Amino acid sequence: DADVTQTPRNRITKTGKRIMLECSQTKGHDRMYWYRQDPGLGLRLIYYSFDVKDINKGEISDGYSVSRQAQAKFSLSLESAIPNQTALYFCATSGGGPKIGELFFGEGSRLTVL
Amino acid sequence: QKEVEQNSGPLSVPEGAIASLNCTYSDRVSQSFFWYRQYSGKSPELIMSIYSNGDKEDGRFTAQLNKASQYVSLLIRDSQPSDSATYLCAVRYFGNEKLTFGTGTRLTIIP
Repeated sequence: DADVTQTPRNRITKTGKRIMLECSQTKGHDRMYWYRQDPGLGLRLIYYSFDVKDINKGEISDGYSVSRQAQAKFSLSLESAIPNQTALYFCATSGGGPKIGELFFGEGSRLTVL
Repeated sequence: QKEVEQNSGPLSVPEGAIASLNCTYSDRVSQSFFWYRQYSGKSPELIMSIYSNGDKEDGRFTAQLNKASQYVSLLIRDSQPSDSATYLCAVRYFGNEKLTFGTGTRLTIIP
């Protein structure tokens, strides 16, 4: 089984719908991240969390919200999806200290908003 | 704004040759550097990290860091078709808990 699991892997939805992407991990890491990847734009950080009580906005948080339900679970919500949120979304985890930059990614969730 | 720049490619290299991938960054106050490999349709995976000036070797991969010139390179020796992927450079700036990613270089190894 994957250490970082994302569900759903693929989702097609319509404009205005609420969508939740879920992430769970068995790495035992405190730090969890949500990234978005678009062709030509690379990976952009949406939100990150260093523990259950610590949630931080990334560079493109508008239109998104997150919930850290437990150390192992971090979900991303789109309250009212719009077409320009069509992208590949990755959850990632890392350890602390010098290991902060050593990210472990989930398999990705491809979201299409029509 | 701190930036990480990579040539998007595609970079085509014959099988068995050395592939050289480059990355420049905008801020001298940087702490650590990472190379991730991403196969088409897959998630990124860490292949190298480097924290100090000089070279770091791991099998066929060598990361080179030059902080004075603000660049980090990844060399792949004896390139194989399985090395064909997009390579993402990432920088962690001092005092920042997050990584800044480049847009990636697409590498194709030609048999």
